[in-house]
Amino acid sequence: RKEVEQDPGPFNVPEGATVAFNCTYSNSASQSFFWYRQDCRKEPKLLMSVYSSGNEDGRFTAQLNRASQYISLLIRDSKLSDSATYLCVPGDNFNKFYFGSGTKLNVKP
Amino acid sequence: DAGVIQSPRHEVTEMGQEVTLRCKPISGHNSLFWYRQTMMRGLELLIYFNNNVPIDDSGMPEDRFSAKMPNASFSTLKIQPSEPRDSAVYFCASSLQLAGGEQYFGPGTRLTVT
Repeated sequence: RKEVEQDPGPFNVPEGATVAFNCTYSNSASQSFFWYRQDCRKEPKLLMSVYSSGNEDGRFTAQLNRASQYISLLIRDSKLSDSATYLCVPGDNFNKFYFGSGTKLNVKP
Repeated sequence: DAGVIQSPRHEVTEMGQEVTLRCKPISGHNSLFWYRQTMMRGLELLIYFNNNVPIDDSGMPEDRFSAKMPNASFSTLKIQPSEPRDSAVYFCASSLQLAGGEQYFGPGTRLTVT
């Protein structure tokens, strides 16, 4: 079983749409959680950390459900610049990160 | 502020040659990670260091791969001899703390072994 499962997409949405990504992780001992974005032929960049209480950063909202081992990311009012691959990343207590294969988002004009 | 620096950015080499990839972590960060990314396998952790000491090298594919961190500001990943299946993008990342710290990635080295 994979450490992290994500729908690869692609999600094709119009500008202004709201889109949600989900992922599940298998290690119940995971301690830290993040969403990264990766543009084509670029390095992964930290989008946001995910806290148990849920957290919001502008148009982005992340949720964590430890009981179900489930992480989500909601993007409101999508912009063309949001087009990228979004990587779900749980980390263990030694900061070893487990990267999902990513969900590809295409925002169309 | 300078981010993680990697060199070279691109490397093309022939099978059997030695390849050395270099990384300078963000100043003050005490953990360093080497990853490899391919279309087939995604992003894989190869090895990571904390305070210059290798903590987990279970992701290193085989003995042809070795990594060192002689000081807090420099690390190398060496492949000897290289093979075509080693072709990938190799990323270095650093973080401030071992547990729970965000990792910041360098731009990567795109390696092609012919």
